[in-house]
Amino acid sequence: DAGITQSPRYKITETGRQVTLMCHQTWSHSYMFWYRQDLGHGLRLIYYSAAADITDKGEVPDGYVVSRSKTENFPLTLESATRSQTSVYFCASSETVSGSPLHFGNGTRLTVT
Amino acid sequence: AQRVTQPEKLLSVFKGAPVELKCNYSYSGSPELFWYVQYSRQRLQLLLRHISRESIKGFTADLNKGETSFHLKKPFAQEEDSAMYYCALRGSNYKLTFGKGTLLTVNP
Repeated sequence: DAGITQSPRYKITETGRQVTLMCHQTWSHSYMFWYRQDLGHGLRLIYYSAAADITDKGEVPDGYVVSRSKTENFPLTLESATRSQTSVYFCASSETVSGSPLHFGNGTRLTVT
Repeated sequence: AQRVTQPEKLLSVFKGAPVELKCNYSYSGSPELFWYVQYSRQRLQLLLRHISRESIKGFTADLNKGETSFHLKKPFAQEEDSAMYYCALRGSNYKLTFGKGTLLTVNP
């Protein structure tokens, strides 16, 4: 789906650096989500947002910060990257309609050295 | 709390054989259940949702509230079905909880 895009697709950063992953959707979906995908853990929810200026923690929020000043954008920031944050990060969005699925972006593969 | 369990990390079948990917859930209310598929190095895509009761690519899944299960089935597997499959549950707060996934390999 071209309606949700993530950038960058690949990122290598050093331990201790701050890095921001971008997510943009064109559907005006109310809900947006950040997941990380790791072998053996599946997809784990980091943060989600029900609307602009409303965010909430998921299962694994430590070390991450999000903001949602506009409905269409939901950036994820790693304040001080650690090697354990090496992962593939997926952004997703959904409508607030029962049964509506999540639409996923292409993912960002982040490596922390 | 909501939880999704996919007991099989890996599942290998031969082409033409039936396949069943298991999913069990834990949730106190009325859940919405989904199956997502991720082909190699691609984004996750919705495969099925229980409210639609549809068949996609030959796959079906029935919600069994008594057994709290939502198993994914296909009578005749194809090589192109090889992928990672995730079962997911959405509760009342609209957040989706995923299982750990099952990697399906269909051998020729």
